[in-house]
Amino acid sequence: DADVTQTPRNRITKTGKRIMLECSQTKGHDRMYWYRQDPGLGLRLIYYSFDVKDINKGEISDGYSVSRQAQAKFSLSLESAIPNQTALYFCATSRSNQPQHFGDGTRLSIL
Amino acid sequence: RKEVEQDPGPFNVPEGATVAFNCTYSNSASQSFFWYRQDCRKEPKLLMSVYSSGNEDGRFTAQLNRASQYISLLIRDSKLSDSATYLCVVTFQGGSEKLVFGKGTKLTVNP
Repeated sequence: DADVTQTPRNRITKTGKRIMLECSQTKGHDRMYWYRQDPGLGLRLIYYSFDVKDINKGEISDGYSVSRQAQAKFSLSLESAIPNQTALYFCATSRSNQPQHFGDGTRLSIL
Repeated sequence: RKEVEQDPGPFNVPEGATVAFNCTYSNSASQSFFWYRQDCRKEPKLLMSVYSSGNEDGRFTAQLNRASQYISLLIRDSKLSDSATYLCVVTFQGGSEKLVFGKGTKLTVNP
């Protein structure tokens, strides 16, 4: 969905590095989300935000942080990456009680 | 009981077959229901919303049974292009709105 853009699309990095994944949207949605997806585990919510500067933990927030400084942008940071954070990461946006729209995903590999 | 549970799959069916997926949810206060489709290594995409009266979109029919707390997706006349993982999604209000994804059911349509 070109309305939700994630950067980078792919990243390979080393253990201990700080990594930031960016998400921007042109849909005008107030809600934004970060998920990770691992084989056999489905989508798991990391953090979500209902408005600028509103931050809420999801089910697996440990080791991650987020920033929502503008309605259109929601960034996810890994302060000190570890190999078990290797996964496919998705950003999504929505309005209240409406379906979510996903970005193309970021494939992150931590060596 | 998990919040959202789906048929474990995988489903392997021949072209032209009719296939049905079920999904159960545990929270009776659930408000909105969706089916998403996810192709391998791609982002989930909304297939259809599920309404109380049931709804149809071409070869796809979705139904909701609030009393038994399940939703279903029926695909008629399966095409090769229907091969994907189908995710059941439920939202409910619990302090703040929560959206829960099932782990998905993989469908392969064979020639």
